[in-house]
Amino acid sequence: DSGVTQTPKHLITATGQRVTLRCSPRSGDLSVYWYQQSLDQGLQFLIQYYNGEERAKGNILERFSAQQFPDLHSELNLSSLELGDSALYFCASSPRSGANVLTFGAGSRLTVL
Amino acid sequence: GEDVEQSLFLSVREGDSSVINCTYTDSSSTYLYWYKQEPGAGLQLLTYIFSNMDMKQDQRLTVLLNKKDKHLSLRIADTQTGDSAIYFCAESKNYGQNFVFGPGTRLSVLP
Repeated sequence: DSGVTQTPKHLITATGQRVTLRCSPRSGDLSVYWYQQSLDQGLQFLIQYYNGEERAKGNILERFSAQQFPDLHSELNLSSLELGDSALYFCASSPRSGANVLTFGAGSRLTVL
Repeated sequence: GEDVEQSLFLSVREGDSSVINCTYTDSSSTYLYWYKQEPGAGLQLLTYIFSNMDMKQDQRLTVLLNKKDKHLSLRIADTQTGDSAIYFCAESKNYGQNFVFGPGTRLSVLP
């Protein structure tokens, strides 16, 4: 157990729907990162939060949004889902914004039918 | 821009050494990492090396860095079936805001 908790582990939904993925960082970590892993795109950085504030943005679609709450847990919201959004979504945490080690959760597998 | 490349597949026999290679383009990278992903699991940090180092050894793992050629390798001695996984190379800058991962090398260990 890495200490980073992601829920749900698996999610199956239909095109056009909206889902929320949740992440609780490792105790003491202030920074949360979201990654998307798909077969054809590999591991893609989506967005990073540090202590509640957005710190960096990667290849995140406009249909996707995220936030980090005062208790430091984070949510990734995916809306108007398309078949191509099917992927593993990983959350990772680190102690500081620029810390040199990421600890990953086990991921949330999203299947869009 | 930043780019990290790896070969996608590697097969070795149990007991042999595995060498997984990685090249990166960003010469200002300060940290270089190897992560391991087992089936159905998240990425697990194996080891990392600072850019001012040439080599780092940790039990069966040896990391070699050629900064001039921007080449990183991971050697696994006495490879076991439990080493079968996807290995990701990654780089980041000091106080960097995101990490850049390679596509991952799928290591298959044959009995």
